[in-house]
Amino acid sequence: EAGVAQSPRYKIIEKRQSVAFWCNPISGHATLYWYQQILGQGPKLLIQFQNNGVVDDSQLPKDRFSAERLKGVDSTLKIQPAKLEDSAVYLCASSLYGLAVNNEQFFGPGTRLTVL
Amino acid sequence: AQTVTQSQPEMSVQEAETVTLSCTYDTSESDYYLFWYKQPPSRQMILVIRQEAYKQQNATENRFSVNFQKAAKSFSLKISDSQLGDAAMYFCAYRNPRYNQGGKLIFGQGTELSVKP
Repeated sequence: EAGVAQSPRYKIIEKRQSVAFWCNPISGHATLYWYQQILGQGPKLLIQFQNNGVVDDSQLPKDRFSAERLKGVDSTLKIQPAKLEDSAVYLCASSLYGLAVNNEQFFGPGTRLTVL
Repeated sequence: AQTVTQSQPEMSVQEAETVTLSCTYDTSESDYYLFWYKQPPSRQMILVIRQEAYKQQNATENRFSVNFQKAAKSFSLKISDSQLGDAAMYFCAYRNPRYNQGGKLIFGQGTELSVKP
């Protein structure tokens, strides 16, 4: 079974530029998560989708971050404009049913973003 | 709000020895889930072990076991017979199973484990 795919693996941009990350979850997984992992910290949830609807985006900086999950499969996370503090690894995870009590999240390899 | 704290930024163990990683958490819930995840340098996060709060018995998975102290809100991970492949960042995580919490994981800051040959 293929795992969670993410691209690109690395991205370097100047501040105020825009950037987009792509995630392809495991086939059949209804729930998709985007986490931000700043160096030296644990991952923090940015947004969670159940199929193509948003379940939780309370920690997403909506003035610059946006995300979509068209057709309930792939997802794109965008930052516009980027700030220095956005430098982090962006992890995508998926699970069969996000709201079920016994439900494992599978993580992708992440995208390492460096903002100069 | 729920929080997870890992007070050991770095730990080291000799190959074949045993090491214990500490984790404490704060919650007002009585039912929840706790996890230990492993993140090798390649960055793919892997689930190591899971504990349901309503279960008194500590979870075990081969060389990995936990010491779950619900009253003390403590959840430590013991790795027995450490192997070179165990070297990684380990994260403790909490999950609130309530429907309206969405199932998100709340992570600690991580403990970097090195294994000496």
